[in-house]
Amino acid sequence: DQQVKQNSPSLSVQEGRISILNCDYTNSMFDYFLWYKKYPAEGPTFLISISSIKDKNEDGRFTVFLNKSAKHLSLHIVPSQPGDSAVYFCAASMGANAGGTSYGKLTFGQGTILTVHP
Amino acid sequence: NAGVMQNPRHLVRRRGQEARLRCSPMKGHSHVYWYRQLPEEGLKFMVYLQKENIIDESGMPKERFSAEFPKEGPSILRIQQVVRGDSAAYFCASSPGGRYSNQPQHFGDGTRLSIL
Repeated sequence: DQQVKQNSPSLSVQEGRISILNCDYTNSMFDYFLWYKKYPAEGPTFLISISSIKDKNEDGRFTVFLNKSAKHLSLHIVPSQPGDSAVYFCAASMGANAGGTSYGKLTFGQGTILTVHP
Repeated sequence: NAGVMQNPRHLVRRRGQEARLRCSPMKGHSHVYWYRQLPEEGLKFMVYLQKENIIDESGMPKERFSAEFPKEGPSILRIQQVVRGDSAAYFCASSPGGRYSNQPQHFGDGTRLSIL
């Protein structure tokens, strides 16, 4: 049961253009969403997050959009740079509003390999 | 990924041996999570611990795997009688915690476990 899905295994973008990475989820109890970037042989690095009470969060070149009705979120990177080339994972959790012990743990998508060409 | 320290970075074991993976959370973080990444897959949650307490172990295999986070010292993920299928990257993450606030988890660089 894949509760968080990234349907595009890979994405190739020209330097300077916009990169759009997509993520869908099925569990309506998720209320906190995160994007991580991962280089080979390293751990995931936190990029940006969004709470379900918002529909947009921006941090520099990174913007995350959340569409709760469609259970869809996306990460926009603009302008894209060659150093952005990495695997991007979206993740979801039942955050502050969840009961029991389910809060906190992250459910990850399978990842999207982003390649930014000079 | 400065802050969350995992060791060893690489661990090789023969089938039937024990593997011990250690994780020191970021300073000020009292919540620790362990995840496993099999080849070509995303990260899968294993266990969530606070000091001296296991909060959620729903992702842990029922046998051979155990985890602890003692009052003093690092969190330990222990795998007994390892099998080839245990070969994976094991990542630890930490967060400040707090039930009523959303905080991102920060990850270590992982331990790559290889079973011969």
